[in-house]
Amino acid sequence: EPEVTQTPSHQVTQMGQEVILRCVPISNHLYFYWYRQILGQKVEFLVSFYNNEISEKSEIFDDQFSVERPDGSNFTLKIRSTKLEDSAMYFCASSEDRNKETQYFGPGTRLLVL
Amino acid sequence: GNSVTQMEGPVTLSEEAFLTINCTYTATGYPSLFWYVQYPGEGLQLLLKATKADDKGSNKGFEATYRKETTSFHLEKGSVQVSDSAVYFCALNDLIQGAQKLVFGQGTRLTINP
Repeated sequence: EPEVTQTPSHQVTQMGQEVILRCVPISNHLYFYWYRQILGQKVEFLVSFYNNEISEKSEIFDDQFSVERPDGSNFTLKIRSTKLEDSAMYFCASSEDRNKETQYFGPGTRLLVL
Repeated sequence: GNSVTQMEGPVTLSEEAFLTINCTYTATGYPSLFWYVQYPGEGLQLLLKATKADDKGSNKGFEATYRKETTSFHLEKGSVQVSDSAVYFCALNDLIQGAQKLVFGQGTRLTINP
């Protein structure tokens, strides 16, 4: 069964460093998403992406965040200058199209900013 | 804005016990409702969903009914197993331009003891 994959599973970085979190969505899916979950808190929507542009972003997704689909398979989330409060689990998801409500999630990347 | 509130955890039960995890929502319109499950070390998996009032979603012995009058979507299972130990997330879809954004509850950790 096709699945969403994410790398790395864990990442530790120093405050102020740039990190890139990688995702490979399911191959025929057209919509891509990033969510995050700070320890002990809710899973929160960050951004959705379709047709090589951002469809929607939350207020969390400020100028230090960016997303990119650099080739036909990868979908990345970049944090330019990490802060302590960026420490969280980051989930990538994809869905087949706008009318298919089911989003398929990856296993997540746990990011720790020191 | 739209929101989801679910039962505080953790919940610990014995095998074969009856399970209820409460979920209520606040939304404009009539969103679809979901239960996602996260097993240890894995991503979020769709457990079941319901798209309109009075719909019942079911999967793997779990059920939830979309109750518009009480704005609820409680998860139930008649006889839980040790393998059901996981974190359960209630969610609704918030239809936004071009994509669907999931709004999650805070998650309920369930532990089933043999």
